[in-house]
Amino acid sequence: ETGVTQTPRHLVMGMTNKKSLKCEQHLGHNAMYWYKQSAKKPLELMFVYSLEERVENNSVPSRFSPECPNSSHLFLHLHTLQPEDSALYLCASSQGYKQGGNSPLHFGNGTRLTVT
Amino acid sequence: TQLLEQSPQFLSIQEGENLTVYCNSSSVFSSLQWYRQEPGEGPVLLVTVVTGGEVKKLKRLTFQFGDARKDSSLHITAAQPGDTGLYLCAGLTGTASKLTFGTGTRLQVTL
Repeated sequence: ETGVTQTPRHLVMGMTNKKSLKCEQHLGHNAMYWYKQSAKKPLELMFVYSLEERVENNSVPSRFSPECPNSSHLFLHLHTLQPEDSALYLCASSQGYKQGGNSPLHFGNGTRLTVT
Repeated sequence: TQLLEQSPQFLSIQEGENLTVYCNSSSVFSSLQWYRQEPGEGPVLLVTVVTGGEVKKLKRLTFQFGDARKDSSLHITAAQPGDTGLYLCAGLTGTASKLTFGTGTRLQVTL
């Protein structure tokens, strides 16, 4: 079983739909992240949770709503998305909030989202 | 905004060839990481370099951090099809504790 599991692997949704992405980590880490990976663009950090509290929200539109019910689970609730939101959404975890450094990121395999 | 430019963007080579990919910035980083992302998977950490001028080796992969800690390179010797993937560098700024990812180099190694 991989350390960070994301479901679903693929998601196609219309602009009026509401869906949620799920991430679960089995590494005992206390920080979790959502990243967006689009073609030809660097990985974009969206949200960071440390000890279940949101510590970063990098100017992400309100149509993306994160939820962290406990240190092992992270959700990204989606509603009224736009076609330009189509991308690979990656979840990651680390031991400690300071990204990288002595607590590198462990990524899931991502959810490939297509908005039609 | 700190930018990490990686070059080349794409590289297609044959098995057995050597290659070098670069990661450059105008910013100074406290440390720099290299990740490899295989098709359909998330990035996986390969190495972290911390000291200016540091060289680390991971089997056929050699990583170097620039003396000024603004750039890094990854050299692969005798590439194999299993090396195929997207190589990402990511720099950490000490004060902001933020990890900035590069634009990536997509490598394809064919038989």
